[in-house]
Amino acid sequence: QQQVKQSPQSLIVQKGGISIINCAYENTAFDYFPWYQQFPGKGPALLIAIRPDVSEKKEGRFTISFNKSAKQFSLHIMDSQPGDSATYFCAARPRGNNRLAFGKGNQVVVIP
Amino acid sequence: GAVVSQHPSWVICKSGTSVKIECRSLDFQATTMFWYRQFPKQSLMLMATSNEGSKATYEQGVEKDKFLINHASLTLSTLTVTSAHPEDSSFYICSARSRLGGYNEQFFGPGTRLTVL
Repeated sequence: QQQVKQSPQSLIVQKGGISIINCAYENTAFDYFPWYQQFPGKGPALLIAIRPDVSEKKEGRFTISFNKSAKQFSLHIMDSQPGDSATYFCAARPRGNNRLAFGKGNQVVVIP
Repeated sequence: GAVVSQHPSWVICKSGTSVKIECRSLDFQATTMFWYRQFPKQSLMLMATSNEGSKATYEQGVEKDKFLINHASLTLSTLTVTSAHPEDSSFYICSARSRLGGYNEQFFGPGTRLTVL
């Protein structure tokens, strides 16, 4: 059972464009929502994370938007670059629990 | 900061042998370490969670006698795949949880590619 549902499965974006990946969850006990970036043959790297007490967090070209009532959060990559081509995983962790629930991943390809 | 290393980065072994993978948090103390398995183009599958000095907690369906986890210190955890078989071939990734930034963030190692012949 997928606790965190990620969409779209893959995305092709023109260089300079905005990449948007969405995630939805059901468990209201989730209180930590990170996004990870993974390149082929490498481990995931923490990109940005948010807690539900804020609706948006921005770090450089990466922004998380969080909608608590809709139980959705999304990653926006502004001014997408070919170097951003990777697989992106959203995740969520319940309060007082160690386990991260991962989405299935989204492959983003940025074309020059 | 928050660097997690794994060794080796790749290993090829014969069927029936055992393989040990090390995971180290280089610049922080990890209260909890995790081991994941990832198949090509798939998400990460949590195998087990370990706290320093305690026995690991395995996820349902993961054989604890097959995948031995030892969390010897706050900076080192090892995964030993015993009597490896071709179906154990996979990408194994460890991660460590840190209190950096107050988020209890989880940082991942670079992964170990295991191929069993």
